Amino acid sequence: GIQVEQSPPDLILQEGANSTLRCNFSDSVNNLQWFHQNPWGQLINLFYIPSGTKQNGRLSATTVATERYSLLYISSSQTTDSGVYFCAVADRGSTLGRLYFGRGTQLTVWP
Amino acid sequence: ETGVTQSPTHLIKTRGQQVTLRCSSQSGHNTVSWYQQALGQGPQFIFQYYREEENGRGNFPPRFSGLQFPNYSSELNVNALELDDSALYLCASSLGYGTGDEQYFGPGTRLTVT
Repeated sequence: GIQVEQSPPDLILQEGANSTLRCNFSDSVNNLQWFHQNPWGQLINLFYIPSGTKQNGRLSATTVATERYSLLYISSSQTTDSGVYFCAVADRGSTLGRLYFGRGTQLTVWP
Repeated sequence: ETGVTQSPTHLIKTRGQQVTLRCSSQSGHNTVSWYQQALGQGPQFIFQYYREEENGRGNFPPRFSGLQFPNYSSELNVNALELDDSALYLCASSLGYGTGDEQYFGPGTRLTVT
């Protein structure tokens, strides 16, 4: 299966700071999603971005499919941004809609 | 449009028992997938159902089984529970069969096996 690596594993920021999370994947994909997992465990969809760039408020994401990586940008961090951020991909070479997840980035934003 | 729901929220079972977890997909979504998330890990794919048929399975033993019903609800059944089955179980629904479809997750069921 596809290998997904996320970095950094942990990130600690002061409120108001900007950050960049990275996701590298080992093969061609036709689905890439970024999620925020809240303290109760629910995965909140942030972006569906198999290629290109998208923005939603303070968050934006870029996927360069040919180079097999995606970046999630968080600007002007708030304490409510804290939690685990996951990148997940689906294998372009498979007919199965299985998502492969990275181990996540644990973000802590201090006031 | 309602989101993906799961029940129960929490569950405590004893080793060797059987458990059934339930999921209700978004209306119109024909595909449901189940994932297991151990503490500190990313979710791991268990299996996927499309229009009531299992169409793919991850590296999980046969004691993990499922059902999908025509009303967009589904079940995950685990027999002969083991301590390592303690985890958060997530279901996800998507519109179609293809690998390119965006998936939407429920809030999860946290299972503890003692």
